[in-house]
Amino acid sequence: AQSVTQLGSHVSVSEGALVLLRCNYSSSVPPYLFWYVQYPNQGLQLLLKYTTGATLVKGINGFEAEFKKSETSFHLTKPSAHMSDAAEYFCAVSGNTGNQFYFGTGTSLTVIP
Amino acid sequence: DTAVSQTPKYLVTQMGNDKSIKCEQNLGHDTMYWYKQDSKKFLKIMFSYNNKELIINETVPNRFSPKSPDKAHLNLHINSLELGDSAVYFCASSQMDRGSYGYTFGSGTRLTVV
Repeated sequence: AQSVTQLGSHVSVSEGALVLLRCNYSSSVPPYLFWYVQYPNQGLQLLLKYTTGATLVKGINGFEAEFKKSETSFHLTKPSAHMSDAAEYFCAVSGNTGNQFYFGTGTSLTVIP
Repeated sequence: DTAVSQTPKYLVTQMGNDKSIKCEQNLGHDTMYWYKQDSKKFLKIMFSYNNKELIINETVPNRFSPKSPDKAHLNLHINSLELGDSAVYFCASSQMDRGSYGYTFGSGTRLTVV
């Protein structure tokens, strides 16, 4: 069975500060891990994903995430927050088949000017 | 060229009415989904179809009936709408044998029942 835990349903950072959104997963199989972003009044957009290979994954808009198997984590970071980063962020885990997809409960990111 | 398209984007209707939401994907995926997103942004899966066959049918009132005429289309019909049905409904698609692909989402349908 797989599950995802996102610590912190709301995160606030100042513009220019580091963004860190936490995601821990549990999976009985090697997981595929995803971060999705949902801007206000829009659908979910893939930010980045880890499948195999390099554990540090770079995504769009300067975001990156590191897969740490020993910590069962896939935290999302960005060195310097922009106002446009304000959105809802979802971590998700998938198994080998496309219908084994589990979302976290989301983290709302607020960027303070 | 939109990969997963939903119509309508907004739907305002009165209690007791029947409404439908349509979804189409042009990615060649074989699996499609309906998700409900509540006011707290929580995503709850409702249904999943693989090659027109229902494979996930979560605990959803039977007023909700999905229909998949082919693997590129998945519609959601809702009978006797209630206030609690107000939410954003997302359609998504994926490839069943490729968990690494993830899901592709539509832009959502905001349903408001008054």
